[in-house]
Amino acid sequence: AQRVTQPEKLLSVFKGAPVELKCNYSYSGSPELFWYVQYSRQRLQLLLRHISRESIKGFTADLNKGETSFHLKKPFAQEEDSAMYYCALSGSNFGNEKLTFGTGTRLTIIP
Amino acid sequence: DSGVTQTPKHLITATGQRVTLRCSPRSGDLSVYWYQQSLDQGLQFLIHYYNGEERAKGNILERFSAQQFPDLHSELNLSSLELGDSALYFCASSATSHNEQFFGPGTRLTVL
Repeated sequence: AQRVTQPEKLLSVFKGAPVELKCNYSYSGSPELFWYVQYSRQRLQLLLRHISRESIKGFTADLNKGETSFHLKKPFAQEEDSAMYYCALSGSNFGNEKLTFGTGTRLTIIP
Repeated sequence: DSGVTQTPKHLITATGQRVTLRCSPRSGDLSVYWYQQSLDQGLQFLIHYYNGEERAKGNILERFSAQQFPDLHSELNLSSLELGDSALYFCASSATSHNEQFFGPGTRLTVL
């Protein structure tokens, strides 16, 4: 079974401080990991996927297969980062391309 | 704008009724996914269609069914509605099964 765990439901960080949103996963094969963001009253948007290794809006995430983690980080938080963040996993085999989401972390940036 | 559209935006109905939610994928996308977002269950995968054929099923109740039409739009049919079916229903599309999924704005279903 595949599972994604986001231990923090709520996270508040001061503007300019570093941000780390935790994500751990369970999957028997080689998963693809994603971070999706949902700003207030907007649709889910892809923020990062581990295979692209890009930095989007200053966020980065490294896949750690040993710790089965895919934590999201940003060195200096900005007010516009306040949103709901979902970590998600997709399987690599045929018929398992669905996304399995974590429960999400609501990030609030304090001015 | 990701290009995925969903109608209607909001739907209020009574228990026991049947509703149809519609999704139009981005132009050229062959895969359509349906997800349910509720307060207690979070975001749950329901079903995946690829080029008109069912590819995978998730936690979809027997009262729910879906299809993808030749023009690639998809419909999710929910019948014998219960209070617990109240949720946000999202559709997502991707070019192929392994590409990035683009989400629609969702349909908020309220069952009274």
